[in-house]
Amino acid sequence: AQSVTQLGSHVSVSEGALVLLRCNYSSSVPPYLFWYVQYPNQGLQLLLKYTSAATLVKGINGFEAEFKKSETSFHLTKPSAHMSDAAEYFCAVRINTGNQFYFGTGTSLTVIP
Amino acid sequence: DTGVSQDPRHKITKRGQNVTFRCDPISEHNRLYWYRQTLGQGPEFLTYFQNEAQLEKSRLLSDRFSAERPKGSFSTLEIQRTEQGDSAMYLCASSLVGGGAYEQYFGPGTRLTVT
Repeated sequence: AQSVTQLGSHVSVSEGALVLLRCNYSSSVPPYLFWYVQYPNQGLQLLLKYTSAATLVKGINGFEAEFKKSETSFHLTKPSAHMSDAAEYFCAVRINTGNQFYFGTGTSLTVIP
Repeated sequence: DTGVSQDPRHKITKRGQNVTFRCDPISEHNRLYWYRQTLGQGPEFLTYFQNEAQLEKSRLLSDRFSAERPKGSFSTLEIQRTEQGDSAMYLCASSLVGGGAYEQYFGPGTRLTVT
């Protein structure tokens, strides 16, 4: 069975500090992994995706994530937080032979000025 | 590319009424998904279409829910005899299947409130 665990439902960082949002996946076969961001009362916007090419994936707005098979992780990072990064972030997994996406429960990021 | 659109954005209805939501996917996308999202949770899969065929339905989709995609373009999600537990954000997403990760592009959602 496929699943995603996001550790930390709320994360607070100071403006300019490193952002680290954690995601661990469970999949018996190679997965595709995604990070989405959701602003209040809006849909989800794709930040980046892992498709079994490079393990370090760069996305929009300065975010990147690293796929670590040995740790079954796909953590999202950004070197310097901006106020505009405050939002809800979701990690999602799809196995390469399946059709469903499985989403984590989300991490709410607060950026403190 | 105008993105995925959903209508209405907000719907308030009384318990027992029927509601219908519409989703217009990105025009060349052949796959369309419906999700439900409640407060503090990630999106939960409800159903998906490949072109006009509904290929999979979640056990979350009770008999009161029905979805259609009659011409393989827009889709509708109907909830009959709404219950307070149906209050949620209903999200639509589309993707192009034909290789790659099939990343999904989401619409802004329809927020349903059942009173």
